[in-house]
Amino acid sequence: EIVLTQSPATLSLSPGERATLSCRASQSVSSYLAWYQQKPGQAPRLLIYDASNRATGIPARFSGSGSGTDFTLTISSLEPEDFAVYYCQQRSNWPPGGTFGQGTKVEIK
Amino acid sequence: QVQLVESGGGLVKPGGSLRLSCAASGFTFSDYYMSWIRQAPGKGLEWVSYISSSGSTIYYADSVKGRFTISRDNAKNSLYLQMNSLRAEDTAVYYCAREAYDYSNLKGYGMDVWGQGTTVTVSS
Repeated sequence: EIVLTQSPATLSLSPGERATLSCRASQSVSSYLAWYQQKPGQAPRLLIYDASNRATGIPARFSGSGSGTDFTLTISSLEPEDFAVYYCQQRSNWPPGGTFGQGTKVEIK
Repeated sequence: QVQLVESGGGLVKPGGSLRLSCAASGFTFSDYYMSWIRQAPGKGLEWVSYISSSGSTIYYADSVKGRFTISRDNAKNSLYLQMNSLRAEDTAVYYCAREAYDYSNLKGYGMDVWGQGTTVTVSS
């Protein structure tokens, strides 16, 4: 099983700052990695797929990069609505749906 | 609008059963692969089960294999999860999700539509 490790567990930042979230895979997943955002009491929302493609309706301040085992989600300038938990998911052995990372919480400093 | 609505959650004793439903609307349900994902209280996301658009291909996480059964009724635009022999560790919010599919490389690239979730609590 491919294990995804996200870091840091918590990121404390202020609105307007840049957020950089990391996701590392235990073996190569090529570019088959997705990122999701989840706010309290809500379902996850797809942000990025295939490592760097923004999903429909996702603002340009969200960007993804990486391939192989190391991936990054960057939020260029945090808006108040961006404070949430972010999960990566590998899709390299789809189907079925792949494993998720444990999440990174982006909180207001 | 595109929507998934889960139902069927509740409180059940260990060893009991529940059947979750997911009603789809706003898109051609029969064209899409679907999955169930769960989230234990205060924990992360765990993929549970997957079913192809026709229902012919099914997968389960090892943690539920032999106890859970996924199915769909394309005529009713509905997805189901029959859960038997429930354990305390099955306590979670259960989400159904649509698998977005890239026809150019024949691969699912993410879950682009999610329901609001239904809560399953397994406790005596």
